Amino acid sequence: SAVISQKPSRDICQRGTSLTIQCQVDSQVTMMFWYRQQPGQSLTLIATANQGSEATYESGFVIDKFPISRPNLTFSTLTVSNMSPEDSSIYLCSVEDGGTTNEQFFGPGTRLTVL
Amino acid sequence: DAKTTQPNSMESNEEEPVHLPCNHSTISGTDYIHWYRQLPSQGPEYVIHGLTSNVNNRMASLAIAEDRKSSTLILHRATLRDAAVYYCILINYGQNFVFGPGTRLSVLP
Repeated sequence: SAVISQKPSRDICQRGTSLTIQCQVDSQVTMMFWYRQQPGQSLTLIATANQGSEATYESGFVIDKFPISRPNLTFSTLTVSNMSPEDSSIYLCSVEDGGTTNEQFFGPGTRLTVL
Repeated sequence: DAKTTQPNSMESNEEEPVHLPCNHSTISGTDYIHWYRQLPSQGPEYVIHGLTSNVNNRMASLAIAEDRKSSTLILHRATLRDAAVYYCILINYGQNFVFGPGTRLSVLP
C-alpha cells in the first residue's frame, strides 16, 4: 500500500488568486491522479500525471486552469488558477497500485473555499 | 458516465449484516468490479474487488452474480465506523476510475 499526504489540508482563498496543492507519496509510483469533489458530490477525475510527460486532462478540465507538475516519482502539484467560488471543492490526489489490481490509494484531500 | 447503478442511501443497525447492491448490466468480460468507501472527511479507501468469483477479505465479502450484471458488497457486522459512502466501480486494466454517486450507508446504534 501507499501512504499519501497532501498540503494544505484546507485553505480559504480570495477570488482571482491561485493555490498550489502538493501531493507526496511514500513510495515511487508511475501514475498519479488528481480528482475534484464538489460539495455533496462524487469524485470527478481532473487529470492523470505521469512522471516525465505532460498531464492528460479529462473533458472539461484544461491545463491553463489546472496546471500540474510531476517532477519525480513521489511528488506532484496541482494549481487551481484564477479561482472563483465555483472552484470551492475538495481536491484529492491518488496513486495506482503497481501490480495488477488497479487499486488506487487516495490522499486525505485538500478542502478549498473560495470567497 | 458511471457504468453502475446503486441505491442513493441505506440504513443498517449496528452489529447486523449489510448487503449493498450494485447493478452493472453493461459490464464487459474484462471489467473488474471494485468497491471503495469514503468515510467522512477522508479520501476513498479500497474495500474489495473481484472478476467472476465471490471474494472475501478482512473488511467485507463480494458476491458476484453468475451473469456478472450485478454484485453485492456484504459487511458481515456493521459498526458505527462503517458509516460511509460506498462506491461500486467497473475497472478495465488501463482505464481511469469513474465514480458514480455511490450509496450512503448510515449505521444506527
